[in-house]
Amino acid sequence: RKEVEQDPGPFNVPEGATVAFNCTYSNSASQSFFWYRQDCRKEPKLLMSVYSSGNEDGRFTAQLNRASQYISLLIRDSKLSDSATYLCVVRGDSWGKLQFGAGTQVVVTP
Amino acid sequence: GAGVSQSPSNKVTEKGKDVELRCDPISGHTALYWYRQRLGQGLEFLIYFQGNSAPDKSGLPSDRFSAERTGESVSTLTIQRTQQEDSAVYLCASSFATGGGFFGQGTRLTVV
Repeated sequence: RKEVEQDPGPFNVPEGATVAFNCTYSNSASQSFFWYRQDCRKEPKLLMSVYSSGNEDGRFTAQLNRASQYISLLIRDSKLSDSATYLCVVRGDSWGKLQFGAGTQVVVTP
Repeated sequence: GAGVSQSPSNKVTEKGKDVELRCDPISGHTALYWYRQRLGQGLEFLIYFQGNSAPDKSGLPSDRFSAERTGESVSTLTIQRTQQEDSAVYLCASSFATGGGFFGQGTRLTVV
């Protein structure tokens, strides 16, 4: 079983709509959680950290559910520029390495 | 510079040659990672350095791959006797011990 699992998509989203997707992780002792985005042929970029109480950054909302061991990302009012692959990242313990999911592709259409 | 710097940005090499890829992490970042990404694929973990601890080499695909890091600074990834399947983008990231990582722009390696 992979340590971090994501639905690969693609999620096809009309411009202006809301899209949400999850990521599950296997290590219940995981300490830190992040969402990255990766554009085609570019390096991944840190989108946001995910905090226990959930957090927002503009149109993006991240949630953590420790009991069910998943994190989620919701994008409101989708823009064409939101089209990308979103990578779920989990740090296993305080000094452990970052574990990357394979990514969820989001395609925002006009 | 302020970000993670990788060199070269592109490398074309003949099958069987050795290559060395370099990563300059963000100053003060104790953790450094190497990943490989083949075209259309996800990130493949290669190796992880954390401070002075022994590196986690569990992702290195064969003994042709090795990496070194000098203290908490520069790292080099060496691939010996390159094969065509080594063609990929090699990405380096650095972070503080407990934060998210920041990536360099990668080295695109093509083995011909």
